[in-house]
Amino acid sequence: AQSVTQLDSQVPVFEEAPVELRCNYSSSVSVYLFWYVQYPNQGLQLLLKYLSGSTLVESINGFEAEFNKSQTSFHLRKPSVHISDTAEYFCAVTSRGNTGKLIFGQGTTLQVKP
Amino acid sequence: NAGVTQTPKFRILKIGQSMTLQCTQDMNHNYMYWYRQDPGMGLKLIYYSVGAGITDKGEVPNGYNVSRSTTEDFPLRLELAAPSQTSVYFCASSYDAPIGTSDDEAFFGQGTRLTVV
Repeated sequence: AQSVTQLDSQVPVFEEAPVELRCNYSSSVSVYLFWYVQYPNQGLQLLLKYLSGSTLVESINGFEAEFNKSQTSFHLRKPSVHISDTAEYFCAVTSRGNTGKLIFGQGTTLQVKP
Repeated sequence: NAGVTQTPKFRILKIGQSMTLQCTQDMNHNYMYWYRQDPGMGLKLIYYSVGAGITDKGEVPNGYNVSRSTTEDFPLRLELAAPSQTSVYFCASSYDAPIGTSDDEAFFGQGTRLTVV
């Protein structure tokens, strides 16, 4: 069985400060990892994903995440956040043998303050 | 392309009533999924489908039914609504599986907020 744990339910941060949203996973097989973002009253949007290859993946809006197999982590980082980054962020995992089912973490609410 | 469209956006049901949450996608995706989102719990998979005529249970299927008669549509049926089914429901689709693992992306609808009273 696979599982995902997001270690922080809420992360308050001031604008232009760096941020890290933590995600740990558990799996007995090779995984694919994702970060989704949900803005208020909207559906989920894919932010970035790790499938294979380089362990550092980046999004178009400045977020990055690093796959760390030894620590079973996939933390999301941004060096300088904006007010518009305020949203809920979900880490998710799946695997080739999992028939495409995404297992989600509990979510982390990022609150960017001016 | 409209992407993944869910209707209705909001609904209030009385205990014991039934309803169908509609989901349609116009991207010719093979795989479709229904999730429910409860506060502090993340998203839980209710049912999924790997193609027309094929459905299977996810983590929390009790109290729900689905059908997939066409590639485009994947309705979710609640037969006897219960307060425990108060949640936000998301439909998602992807061309390939696992969801979103090829170069294409997994798409989510905007959600249906259901309250059972």
